Formats: sequence, C-alpha cells, structure tokens
Amino acid sequence: EAGVAQSPRYKIIEKRQSVAFWCNPISGHATLYWYQQILGQGPKLLIQFQNNGVVDDSQLPKDRFSAERLKGVDSTLKIQPAKLEDSAVYLCASSFEGNSPLHFGNGTRLTVT
Amino acid sequence: LAKTTQPISMDSYEGQEVNITCSHNNIATNDYITWYQQFPSQGPRFIIQGYKTKVTNEVASLFIPADRKSSTLSLPRVSLSDTAVYYCLVGELAAGNKLTFGGGTRVLVKP
Repeated sequence: EAGVAQSPRYKIIEKRQSVAFWCNPISGHATLYWYQQILGQGPKLLIQFQNNGVVDDSQLPKDRFSAERLKGVDSTLKIQPAKLEDSAVYLCASSFEGNSPLHFGNGTRLTVT
Repeated sequence: LAKTTQPISMDSYEGQEVNITCSHNNIATNDYITWYQQFPSQGPRFIIQGYKTKVTNEVASLFIPADRKSSTLSLPRVSLSDTAVYYCLVGELAAGNKLTFGGGTRVLVKP
C-alpha cells in the first residue's frame, strides 16, 4: 500500500511569513494526526482528526496554527505568522481504526529565519 | 494523560540483546502499550504493541507484567542498523486512540 505522503519536504521562510503543509493519508484511514518534532525531542501532538472532525487540538497554538481535513481525506496545516520557535519537522500520521498502528510520513522540515 | 518514562540512551554491541524498560504508572484499564522506532530524517515506525503478558513478532518482543505499570521492549541480536530512537507510548483508546510521545531512548549499536 502507498504510505502517508507529505509535501513539501523542506521549507525555509522568514519570521512573520505564512506557510502550509499538505498530507495525504493512507486510503481508508479514518484518523489523521499532525505532530511537531523539534530537534532532539519526541514528536508533540498538535491535532488529531477522526474523519473530518477534530478529536484533540489541545496543544495547537490556535492564534497562529490552523488545520483542516476536507472530506475526511487530505489535510493541511497552516502557520500564520511563523515564529522562530516554529522551526521543526511537521509529521503527519494516519491510522485505520481503534488501536491500529500509526503510519507516519517522512515529514516537512520547516526552518524559520 | 498516561505519561511514560524511559532511559535517555543505551549502548550495545552487534549480536547482543537489547532490553528497554518503560514505566507508565498511571496507565488506564483500556489503554495499551506500543513502541515505535525512529531513524534520522524519517517519521517514527511502528514496532510492536500489546495489552498484557507477552507479545512477539518478527522483530521484537514486548513483556508486560500483570500490573501493567511498566513494559520491556526486547530486541534480539541487534545489528548496526538498529541504531535509532525508540519510543514507548501508551495508547489512550478512551481519547480516540491518542498517542503521546516522550523523549525516547537513543540506542547506539556498536560494531
């Protein structure tokens, strides 16, 4: 099966600019996750979708971050405006149902200068 | 929130068995334990998961005692390519299968 696709692979922007990341999960996977991974740390959950509804967004900085999952398939994560501390790898993952394992994409590495 | 605690790093040699123990003292009744492996510049990859006792697959074994407050990932006969970060997580089914990563254990396999 095709894996989780993410784009772009790398992005460099200046602070206060905006940026968007795209994720295409594995076909049929109902749950989609966005994680932020700062260098040297474990991934931090930003938002979790079940189909096109939000299950958990308690750690999403809603003043600057937004995410949507249209039609319960693809998802986009946006940052506006970006700050230096947003430099990280943004990982998308999907899972089928229940306690099915998460399948991760290779992430988008964001550098904010 | 089911928090996990695991060693920051471990060194081993090729051909040895590596055991990583994780504590999860406040695990809930319906939660399960799962382990992921991450190489540089890649997303984490699922290794194994279980609810209680012992689970074995082609790459690892997972030992979970009766009280479920800890678990041990066992990697038999490691090779250099097993050098990676290993994460222990508790899957919270009541929260929609929420998975919270900790800092992970950096395993270095030496020749």
